[in-house]
Amino acid sequence: GAVVSQHPSRVICKSGTSVKIECRSLDFQATTMFWYRQFPKKSLMLMATSNEGSKATYEQGVEKDKFLINHASLTLSTLTVTSAHPEDSSFYICSAKFENTGELFFGEGSRLTVL
Amino acid sequence: QQQVKQSPQSLIVQKGGIPIINCAYENTAFDYFPWYQQFPGKGPALLIAIRPDVSEKKEGRFTISFNKSAKQFSLHIMDSQPGDSATYFCAASRIGGYQKVTFGIGTKLQVIP
Repeated sequence: GAVVSQHPSRVICKSGTSVKIECRSLDFQATTMFWYRQFPKKSLMLMATSNEGSKATYEQGVEKDKFLINHASLTLSTLTVTSAHPEDSSFYICSAKFENTGELFFGEGSRLTVL
Repeated sequence: QQQVKQSPQSLIVQKGGIPIINCAYENTAFDYFPWYQQFPGKGPALLIAIRPDVSEKKEGRFTISFNKSAKQFSLHIMDSQPGDSATYFCAASRIGGYQKVTFGIGTKLQVIP
């Protein structure tokens, strides 16, 4: 299957700082990427849909000014958690959609811990 | 509104058994039904997927059964192994455009040696 690389896999930061997570599709171009948040023992919660060259579409209840998403190229989308607080600590996962088949390939996830 | 209902939430089987996980969807516009396997601390990995024009798809020990009229689909794991212990998510979406994928709640499977 296709490969989606997510970096960093783990990050610890102080409250009030910003953290950027990168999601790259390594062997295919992805017009659409998705960002999810997953709480322990829970399903994936879609945060936003990232479309190359346009503004991201955020799900209801997700603060777009707090979770900045940029999809600058067909192989890279970034999620920036701004002014992070302990309640933002979570497992963030990106995915890239292979347009021809609709298959969704996931990154390995990023564990964010805000102290 | 939960568009994809998944059950059971947890499942324990003996090695060699055949765990079955069921999902039901509501939106008849969905035309792509994947299953994902997730190990702790890792992102989900695509396991197998089916389109509504077939009733069954098999890949190795994993089989999807699809019932379009009932709007249900299920995952069967033949000859289950301890290494299959993971959380499994069913999902549904539309292939075209920017359609997002709707996930089930997940099933934590434990295969006992």
